Amino acid sequence: QVQLQESGPGLVKPSETLSLTCTVSGGSISGYYYFWIRQPPGKGLEWIGYIYYTGSTNYNPSLKGRLTMSVDTSKNQFSLKLRSVTAADTAVYYCARINREQWLIPDCWGQGTLVTVSS
Amino acid sequence: IQLTQSPSSLSASVGDRVTITCRASQGVSSYLAWYQQKPGKAPKLLIYAASTLESGVPSRFSGSGSGTDFTLTISGLQPEDFATYYCQQLNSYPPTFGPGTKVDIK
Repeated sequence: QVQLQESGPGLVKPSETLSLTCTVSGGSISGYYYFWIRQPPGKGLEWIGYIYYTGSTNYNPSLKGRLTMSVDTSKNQFSLKLRSVTAADTAVYYCARINREQWLIPDCWGQGTLVTVSS
Repeated sequence: IQLTQSPSSLSASVGDRVTITCRASQGVSSYLAWYQQKPGKAPKLLIYAASTLESGVPSRFSGSGSGTDFTLTISGLQPEDFATYYCQQLNSYPPTFGPGTKVDIK
């Protein structure tokens, strides 16, 4: 059974770069699209973007310019880097795998990781 | 595309029939999904393509609608259904979510 697990620093200083990794276990990262969403504490859900295992990406325009996603198939991992963070980027970040049969519909989630932006 | 949900919260009893509405600012065809989220947990997919029940989801959950107006119905609320529910449109990129409807115990 495929599992996803987010990892990365739980605290990032303002203006620095938030870096998270999602590790795929129990199966190969190949052949699938993956996405990230986030949820500020007590608030709703926001789409961040998706990445294919080949490295092609599509970001939320609201984050474009600050966001880079990448994939490392040798480690079965994909990553997110968000530059110049502010308190507004404080959120629980989730990664998920996209269902091969239904576009943008997830079939597997990570548990989420809280990232706090604070000095 | 902006999504609105109503109500923003509701109180209900076990066994009640609950209906949540999601309205899109422009048509999204049937590219709409519903999620359930409990505190500290990732969202759980309930319904996609407006009315298709995700595998393993109890049949008391149902979805309907197309275009701009959608509903999620829970027929016979169970204790494990107390949660926040979100709609999501997938017709236009980026996918967007509604603000959520919190269902709690009366």
